[in-house]
Amino acid sequence: EAQVTQNPRYLITVTGKKLTVTCSQNMNHEYMSWYRQDPGLGLRQIYYSMNVEVTDKGDVPEGYKVSRKEKRNFPLILESPSPNQTSLYFCASSWASGNTGELFFGEGSRLTVL
Amino acid sequence: QKEVEQNSGPLSVPEGAIASLNCTYSDRVSQSFFWYRQYSGKSPELIMSIYSNGDKEDGRFTAQLNKASQYVSLLIRDSQPSDSATYLCAVANYGGSQGNLIFGKGTKLSVKP
Repeated sequence: EAQVTQNPRYLITVTGKKLTVTCSQNMNHEYMSWYRQDPGLGLRQIYYSMNVEVTDKGDVPEGYKVSRKEKRNFPLILESPSPNQTSLYFCASSWASGNTGELFFGEGSRLTVL
Repeated sequence: QKEVEQNSGPLSVPEGAIASLNCTYSDRVSQSFFWYRQYSGKSPELIMSIYSNGDKEDGRFTAQLNKASQYVSLLIRDSQPSDSATYLCAVANYGGSQGNLIFGKGTKLSVKP
C-alpha cells in the first residue's frame, strides 16, 4: 500500500528536550516536505526537499532541522523544543519535476511541548 | 508577502446543490494550483490540480483558473453530506521558488441533508 508514515503520532514532551519526528514514504517520491497546522493559521511549510541531499527552507523553518540522507526518509528534528512548537505536524511527498504540489500526506503527528 | 486567501466559511449548502469555493493568490509567478479536502481530524487529500487557464472537470468537481485575475475556484456539483469538510487551496512555486507550496487557511463546507 502506498503511504507516508510518520512517527510518533502523538507526543508530549518538555521544553528543551530534543526530539525527532520520523517520516518515511514507500512510493519512490523525489519530493518531501514538512508542514505544521495551527488553528487560525492553516498549513504552513517548514522545510522541503527536492531530492536526496537537497533541502530548503519553507516559510516557518525557525527551530527546526531536517536531513535527507535517503530518498524514502525525511526526519524533522526539534533540537530544543519550545511551547510555541506545539502543533499538528504533517509530512508529505510527491513526484518532483513540476508537480510538487500533488502531495500525499502522512496521518500527522500531534506534538505538545510543555 | 505570500498570500493565498480563502473565505473561512462555514459555507452551508443543501444536498444536491452546487457548492462554490473561491481562492485568490498574490504572486503572479505561480503556475500550479491545487485543491485539497480535509475531513476533521484527518490529513489533507488532493482532489484537483490545475495548471492552465480555464476549467478542469473530474466527476462532480470542476476547478477553474484565471491567472490574469489571480483567482482559482472549485465547484462541487450535486453536493453530498459526505462532501462536508474543509477545502484547502494551495499554490506551488510561489515566487518562482520550486518546491515552495503555500496553503490558504481553508473554507469549511457543510452540506445539509
